[in-house]
Amino acid sequence: GQQLNQSPQSMFIQEGEDVSMNCTSSSIFNTWLWYKQEPGEGPVLLIALYKAGELTSNGRLTAQFGITRKDSFLNISASIPSDVGIYFCAGQKETSGSRLTFGEGTQLTVNP
Amino acid sequence: NAGVTQTPKFQVLKTGQSMTLQCAQDMNHNSMYWYRQDPGMGLRLIYYSASEGTTDKGEVPNGYNVSRLNKREFSLRLESAAPSQTSVYFCASRRSPHTDTQYFGPGTRLTVL
Repeated sequence: GQQLNQSPQSMFIQEGEDVSMNCTSSSIFNTWLWYKQEPGEGPVLLIALYKAGELTSNGRLTAQFGITRKDSFLNISASIPSDVGIYFCAGQKETSGSRLTFGEGTQLTVNP
Repeated sequence: NAGVTQTPKFQVLKTGQSMTLQCAQDMNHNSMYWYRQDPGMGLRLIYYSASEGTTDKGEVPNGYNVSRLNKREFSLRLESAAPSQTSVYFCASRRSPHTDTQYFGPGTRLTVL
């Protein structure tokens, strides 16, 4: 079953605000990924993390690989209306081969 | 370069009907995947093919079969559709099992009445 707990489930914010969301697991992952999905589309990769403690940025997005390897965080600074969508975390274990485990998603709404 | 394409985009079936969802990628990727997405559940892996000629069960394989027809194409078949299979189905591919980026198709929205 689902091994990743993603929170919050939804967020309603004003344009310009910063956003934080996270994923936690009871088990260790070797890779953490963050995806964004817009309505009617498939998920698109935003950031990939490979090392415990790693902090990686992609424009206004910053993600961190937790030092325990059981969690990851995504921050979005100065949100804009086009940030609207569902954000998913995903983890990969060495022992799972090529399989990813996805979180339940965070639905982000940005009010202009 | 179309990336990952899926057909059809929408489908309505009656309980017990069968159908095949098609997926193709033109990126010369070795690994392909089928997921289903349900509200509040994220994406759950149904089946995957790490390389041409191999297929393996994912998290929720019951009620489905797959065929890796060639390197480009990976189809998902529902032999006897059930209302519980109402979902959005996504195909994905990546260059190899050990690279990070999975590229997703646009999805097939399936309703089983």
